[in-house]
Amino acid sequence: GNSVTQMEGPVTLSEEAFLTINCTYTATGYPSLFWYVQYPGEGLQLLLKATKADDKGSNKGFEATYRKETTSFHLEKGSVQVSDSAVYFCALGTSNTGNQFYFGTGTSLTVIP
Amino acid sequence: DAGVIQSPRHEVTEMGQEVTLRCKPISGHDYLFWYRQTMMRGLELLIYFNNNVPIDDSGMPEDRFSAKMPNASFSTLKIQPSEPRDSAVYFCASSPPGRGGSLGTQYFGPGTRLTVL
Repeated sequence: GNSVTQMEGPVTLSEEAFLTINCTYTATGYPSLFWYVQYPGEGLQLLLKATKADDKGSNKGFEATYRKETTSFHLEKGSVQVSDSAVYFCALGTSNTGNQFYFGTGTSLTVIP
Repeated sequence: DAGVIQSPRHEVTEMGQEVTLRCKPISGHDYLFWYRQTMMRGLELLIYFNNNVPIDDSGMPEDRFSAKMPNASFSTLKIQPSEPRDSAVYFCASSPPGRGGSLGTQYFGPGTRLTVL
């Protein structure tokens, strides 16, 4: 079946620290992979995506590379800011399940000044 | 575009009452999803529609929950009767059809925070 496993949180980092949030997946077919971010009191927003192996998605300084050999899509940022404090969700979708997405449990990030 | 619109943003009701949550998807999107988010269970897909037709309702917790999509610009999620364990944030999301084999990105509304006393 289809599923996503995310790094457990919460994660607390100092400003300008390096961030990695691990995400691995199991999928039938050829999935597209996504990272969503949820700020307090808001809905989920697309952060970045990758639709095929070796693609790198990037946005706002965040990056993730679609690694088929390790079934991973780890989120990274070189220097986090206080404004990056949020919950991050990894997700996958496959064309053989309509447009249904499978979300991870979310990882809470707090960045302290 | 205004994005996905949900109403109400907050709802407080008493156990046994009927609750109706509303969603207006982004114009041109032909997929609509209802999710529930709680601390204990995370983000759960309840049901989704394609071209106003329910495709998968296996996530609907029980018969007290029902969802409709009478047209392309409106959907409702109804809970009758409501129970305290239904307290959660309910999100609606919509997505366009995929292109060239690529999935359409899901766009989320701000959510409705439901509290059942």
